[in-house]
Amino acid sequence: KNEVEQSPQNLTAQEGEFITINCSYSVGISALHWLQQHPGGGIVSLFMLSSGKKKHGRLIATINIQEKHSSLHITASHPRDSAVYICAALYSGNTPLVFGKGTRLSVIA
Amino acid sequence: DVKVTQSSRYLVKRTGEKVFLECVQDMDHENMFWYRQDPGLGLRLIYFSYDVKMKEKGDIPEGYSVSREKKERFSLILESASTNQTSMYLCASIEAGRGDGYTFGSGTRLTVV
Repeated sequence: KNEVEQSPQNLTAQEGEFITINCSYSVGISALHWLQQHPGGGIVSLFMLSSGKKKHGRLIATINIQEKHSSLHITASHPRDSAVYICAALYSGNTPLVFGKGTRLSVIA
Repeated sequence: DVKVTQSSRYLVKRTGEKVFLECVQDMDHENMFWYRQDPGLGLRLIYFSYDVKMKEKGDIPEGYSVSREKKERFSLILESASTNQTSMYLCASIEAGRGDGYTFGSGTRLTVV
């Protein structure tokens, strides 16, 4: 069964810290998504990547196809970054996403 | 602005009631999905649909059914609600064959009492 593992499950950081959230998947994928969900809010897509690295503002996502691993980095973290971050793998074509269980991030001022 | 709209943000129903959760998208997407989200379990796929009148079971279809009579609307039905179906329900859609562009609704928090 295709699986996606995320770590850590919970993360607390001080404002300004550099944050890394990790995601690993079991077999080859066609794409990996990083999603964000603020408390009480809906889910927003941050990145979709199939190779290399993508950057948007203070967020950076990387993927290593050989190691079946992706990371989401947040530089200069801020309390408004507090949210659940979810990685999800697209294994092929039209198949549904397979989700990790999410990482709950709290950034303290 | 493209949207996936879920009809209710919060819903409280009694055990045994028939419950309809509605999802409408305005992007002409072929593929639509229903998930439930529970603490510690993440998002789990209930049902999905690749076209009108088509449906596929996801990982946890028991106790649920779906209806897709029109392309833009995908309904999740709880035939006889039970307390273990108390959860956050999320709908999503994407254009067929695309890897990106997943769009999620804002969710319906259902409480069954």
